[in-house]
Amino acid sequence: GAGVSQSPSNKVTEKGKDVELRCDPISGHTALYWYRQSLGQGLEFLIYFQGNSAPDKSGLPSDRFSAERTGGSVSTLTIQRTQQEDSAVYLCASSLPLTGANEQFFGPGTRLTVL
Amino acid sequence: KQEVTQIPAALSVPEGENLVLNCSFTDSAIYNLQWFRQDPGKGLTSLLLIQSSQREQTSGRLNASLDKSSGRSTLYIAASQPGDSATYLCAVEAGANNLFFGTGTRLTVIP
Repeated sequence: GAGVSQSPSNKVTEKGKDVELRCDPISGHTALYWYRQSLGQGLEFLIYFQGNSAPDKSGLPSDRFSAERTGGSVSTLTIQRTQQEDSAVYLCASSLPLTGANEQFFGPGTRLTVL
Repeated sequence: KQEVTQIPAALSVPEGENLVLNCSFTDSAIYNLQWFRQDPGKGLTSLLLIQSSQREQTSGRLNASLDKSSGRSTLYIAASQPGDSATYLCAVEAGANNLFFGTGTRLTVIP
């Protein structure tokens, strides 16, 4: 597709369940990012993938969060044993990093609600 | 840690007015600064990206400036239209390959 796509667009789950969120980046983009936007707060960085390099996981809030990127394309963000504070919009972005310019393009997000 | 602040948090203007949104950041060692708009319930749309070596970028009615030494950027919107109503976010890339975002300015353009 022409842009970054994410699925599902909305996810409602019960506390304690695991969820998987999917991101399809723009074709050819080597970098992929996950961010979280909580109500009343700004966007916070979660994890970054670049090519075949080890991901930068420095933004993951706890060990319940993990992500993988298969074949350098699609990425899945997994949240285990969800908590109510995990409720947020999870945004994925991709880019083709060039020297001095790294314009990130965002998907529409997945709205996660943990009951 | 890089901190990004946007002022004002909300702004209402009548249609046709020119307006300026402000963004400041604490660490001037940035690679680039990006302005986005976010419509309610939607993702982010990239508006402009200014590299650290640049002073400004223009796209249509939008002009973004960057003063890296003072840690400031402005987004100028000319001849505002109701369709410009959205939340505008600025974000800086500061070497960690991720963006640090401000909390946004919610703009309402009144017809």
